[in-house]
Amino acid sequence: EIVLTQSPATLSLSPGERATLSCGASQSVSSSYLAWYQQKPGLAPRLLIYDASSRATGIPDRFSGSGSGTDFTLTISRLEPEDFAVYYCQQYGSSPWTFGQGTKVEIK
Amino acid sequence: EVQLVQSGAEVKKPGESLKISCKGSGYSFSNYWIGWVRQMPGKGLEWMGIIWPGDSDTRYNPSFQGQVTISADRSIGTAYLQWSSLKASDIAMYYCARLRAAAVIGVYDYWGQGTLVTVSS
Repeated sequence: EIVLTQSPATLSLSPGERATLSCGASQSVSSSYLAWYQQKPGLAPRLLIYDASSRATGIPDRFSGSGSGTDFTLTISRLEPEDFAVYYCQQYGSSPWTFGQGTKVEIK
Repeated sequence: EVQLVQSGAEVKKPGESLKISCKGSGYSFSNYWIGWVRQMPGKGLEWMGIIWPGDSDTRYNPSFQGQVTISADRSIGTAYLQWSSLKASDIAMYYCARLRAAAVIGVYDYWGQGTLVTVSS
């Protein structure tokens, strides 16, 4: 089973700042099959990025994903108030599909 | 508009059985994999398994194999997650979600609102 480790656990930033979230895999993720989701309190997760760098339908271009192999990054270029949430990475390159433990982006 | 609507919150006793549902609409239900994801209180997400409603082909995370049963009734566009004997450790929010592509590529593009399962004596 591939273990995903997200860092940092919490990111304290101000609106307008750039957020960089990391996701490290215990083994190489085949075909860059890595996704990022956003979850706000009391709501279901929302797909942001798939295949490491493809934005899902309707996702603003301030969200971008990069990486391959074992190291992946989600970047939010300029934080908007609605971006403060928990972010999860997920690999689907090998079964069982696994999620990271999450990074909370909070208002500084 | 694609929608997944889940059944309401449940409160059960240890040892009881339970079946929760997820009704899909706005797309061809039989032609997309539907999966279930667990989120224990204050914790992250865990993939439980998926089902192809067209022929009920089911794949489980080994961690959940034998602990739950995933099924679907394509005639009414509904997927199910069931337990035969609940435990306190089953307390969680359970989400259904649709795979983005017809292939078994595990990206979930649409999610239900979640069903909270509470187990208490």
